[in-house]
Amino acid sequence: DAGITQSPRYKITETGRQVTLMCHQTWSHSYMFWYRQDLGHGLRLIYYSAAADITDKGEVPDGYVVSRSKTENFPLTLESATRSQTSVYFCASGRERYGNTIYFGEGSWLTVV
Amino acid sequence: KQEVTQIPAALSVPEGENLVLNCSFTDSAIYNLQWFRQDPGKGLTSLLLIQSSQREQTSGRLNASLDKSSGRSTLYIAASQPGDSATYLCAASGNTPLVFGKGTRLSVIA
Repeated sequence: DAGITQSPRYKITETGRQVTLMCHQTWSHSYMFWYRQDLGHGLRLIYYSAAADITDKGEVPDGYVVSRSKTENFPLTLESATRSQTSVYFCASGRERYGNTIYFGEGSWLTVV
Repeated sequence: KQEVTQIPAALSVPEGENLVLNCSFTDSAIYNLQWFRQDPGKGLTSLLLIQSSQREQTSGRLNASLDKSSGRSTLYIAASQPGDSATYLCAASGNTPLVFGKGTRLSVIA
């Protein structure tokens, strides 16, 4: 079934380890986004991408790296995980930056111990 | 910097009641405003999108309005049902991608 999928859905990792969260969409949407959701902060934008090989920082990019070599994939890497990066991470995609609905994945629950 | 606020943070109503959720935003230069629903442990589902040139959008029992000049949007839910229980988020799209409010957690009691 077409859609946007995230993996892993649940992950526990240790402080200092590198973690990559995967995001795949089957709509060929140009735009893809990574948000994190935390109690008390709501959803905050980490990075977004307008097309393959084009990425831009959001509100909270520090400690994260993204890449977009293919339109359908937008992985998010935590280079050296910290406890403050314990969160729920949502990937989303949309045809345009403005004017159209964006669609969210089911989320990746990450715990850094 | 765009800031989006939703009031109240939580709301509990009896089944069948009509209700209004409020959303305000600080920068009126938006392209659109979207309302989403989030069920516990799930992702966000888009409910309604209002373009900046529109005043309202309707889908079934849901009606969303937009007043750019005052920086406000409302989501009206008619004849609420227990299945409407969820967190409702609004988000504004402008010079930056969607900026979200913290949501209103709605409980509809049977």
